[in-house]
Amino acid sequence: DIQMTQSPSSLSASVGDRVTITCRASQSISTYLNWYQQKPGKAPNLLIYAASSLQSGVPSRFSGSGSGTDFTLTINSLQPEDFATYYCQQSYSMSFTFGPGTKVDIK
Amino acid sequence: EVQLVESGGGLVQPGRSLRLSCTTSGFTFGDYPMSWVRQAPGKGLEWVGFIRSKTYGGTTEYAASVKGRFTISRDDSKTIAYLQMNSLKTEDTAVYYCSRTPKVERFLEYFYAMDVWGQGTTVTVSS
Repeated sequence: DIQMTQSPSSLSASVGDRVTITCRASQSISTYLNWYQQKPGKAPNLLIYAASSLQSGVPSRFSGSGSGTDFTLTINSLQPEDFATYYCQQSYSMSFTFGPGTKVDIK
Repeated sequence: EVQLVESGGGLVQPGRSLRLSCTTSGFTFGDYPMSWVRQAPGKGLEWVGFIRSKTYGGTTEYAASVKGRFTISRDDSKTIAYLQMNSLKTEDTAVYYCSRTPKVERFLEYFYAMDVWGQGTTVTVSS
């Protein structure tokens, strides 16, 4: 199976900050990489698919980049509603796998 | 409005079985692959399995941790996806989510992404 790692595992940031989360795959996955946001007690929400395509309805302050093994999720001008846990997920292999998550909390 | 509602969770003893349902509405269910994802208490997301649409044979894929014990099926006439869980273990304790998993075209390639999720149902495996 393809293993996914994320860094950092958690971070503290302030409203208005720019936040970058990194995801790495154990082998090349081209751009078969999705990003999800999950708030406590809620289901995940798709933010980015195909590494850089913004899901409909998601604010434009979210962006994704990368290909191969290294990917980033960037949140420009962090908003109060963005404090959550973020997961990457690969769909290159039909054994989909998620990263361990990055928790973004308030500094 | 697109909706997915999971049901069937509960408390079950190790070694027993349970069937979860994902009842959907608001979209043409038969056109979409569906996934199941779980989340153990305080842990991250774990993909459980996937079923293709009947157009693509309705075939399934599973995580190694559940392969041979769990079975995903679908009833397109009822717009429901199922997760049959047999030989349950304590480590199967989790919130189970179903998700719509379309194949989206982008840059002349096709990408699976879980674009709509249910609210989850809790399964507790304990004696």
